[in-house]
Amino acid sequence: GAGVSQSPSNKVTEKGKDVELRCDPISGHTALYWYRQSLGQGLEFLIYFQGNSAPDKSGLPSDRFSAERTGGSVSTLTIQRTQQEDSAVYLCASSMAQIYNSPLHFGNGTRLTVT
Amino acid sequence: AQSVTQLGSHVSVSEGALVLLRCNYSSSVPPYLFWYVQYPNQGLQLLLKYTTGATLVKGINGFEAEFKKSETSFHLTKPSAHMSDAAEYFCAVTPKGSGNTGKLIFGQGTTLQVKP
Repeated sequence: GAGVSQSPSNKVTEKGKDVELRCDPISGHTALYWYRQSLGQGLEFLIYFQGNSAPDKSGLPSDRFSAERTGGSVSTLTIQRTQQEDSAVYLCASSMAQIYNSPLHFGNGTRLTVT
Repeated sequence: AQSVTQLGSHVSVSEGALVLLRCNYSSSVPPYLFWYVQYPNQGLQLLLKYTTGATLVKGINGFEAEFKKSETSFHLTKPSAHMSDAAEYFCAVTPKGSGNTGKLIFGQGTTLQVKP
């Protein structure tokens, strides 16, 4: 079956513009995660959705970042007024349930470049 | 706060040699432990995980890892490196407990280079 799909695969934007990154999780996966992978920063947790529960937004770096998950499936990560330090690969992952008994399945990421 | 340390951002081995990638975690209560691999321009793929039970866990592609509570370590090994093992490897943890939302805390990653 299809894996986690992210679009676009690459995005170049000018500083100050807004961007939207999309994630299509594996069908039936209730948990969805966004991570950011930056050179020298490793993988940073951004936000976590689980079913109908309130999302865990504790990793969002500023109020310019937001995410939503519609209908328990597709998720969109929005970055407003982009800055050069937002340049990174944004990874989405999904899983069946709690990750200790269900591995995360990652998409190939969206590479964001802010010029 | 929980943290994960991977010793060595770059490791280089010859083809056929032993691979050893080090990972230590910081918590008094052992968390769930994972190793992920990332090939160029791809997402992460689970290699193996430790939750409970036997402390030596085997994963895909001939990798294995041993949980050592006394050393707070979860080092990844493979007896004989193959060229296709060249990738970036991430150790990750998630705390146990009912309050856990499931987020993984990753180490900084180790890039494995395999020389012919």
